[in-house]
Amino acid sequence: AQKVTQAQTEISVVEKEDVTLDCVYETRDTTYYLFWYKQPPSGELVFLIRRNSFDEQNEISGRYSWNFQKSTSSFNFTITASQVVDSAVYFCALMSTSGGYNKLIFGAGTRLAVHP
Amino acid sequence: GAVVSQHPSRVICKSGTSVKIECRSLDFQATTMFWYRQFPKKSLMLMATSNEGSKATYEQGVEKDKFLINHASLTLSTLTVTSAHPEDSSFYICSAREGTGLTYEQYFGPGTRLTVT
Repeated sequence: AQKVTQAQTEISVVEKEDVTLDCVYETRDTTYYLFWYKQPPSGELVFLIRRNSFDEQNEISGRYSWNFQKSTSSFNFTITASQVVDSAVYFCALMSTSGGYNKLIFGAGTRLAVHP
Repeated sequence: GAVVSQHPSRVICKSGTSVKIECRSLDFQATTMFWYRQFPKKSLMLMATSNEGSKATYEQGVEKDKFLINHASLTLSTLTVTSAHPEDSSFYICSAREGTGLTYEQYFGPGTRLTVT
């Protein structure tokens, strides 16, 4: 079965704090992709990153960084020096070949509130 | 990245009427399109997957007669909510992909907020 778990429902931080959003996934496939999306209050999903299962290198993009660990089936997302504009719901997602059409399975999302 | 548009962005309709939502891929040909539904403060739930020119594949629990999906061309898919009721009020998001393989990017539309009164 394919599953994505984001255990943190809501996180509240003060501006400039670092924050890590957890994501744990389940799949039997050896080839799969992991994603993070941001959904601001406007509702439109903003693509942040895609990582394939064969690439375990951590990635950094500005204040954003991702830690992919296959051993623990986790793909955590860290925002460094958070800003108010980072306030949004963040979704982790998994895409694999099981079930046909390579469907994107979303986690429940983590609502991040960054306060000034 | 590629652009996917949805129309309308917001719609209010009366109970019992039908409403159609359009999803277009503006700068690529989408062989596969997906329709998601999102309740307030909840995650995206996949409703159905459609390939151009063939019938949509619905997820378990989604009524195919209630949510009609048509993917008539490589750039257009429509979702029609038939005989809408207040419980159909939701945020509907479409997504499009150029191919079925894992390597293809999936692009999301901006969403349509449906309110049934």
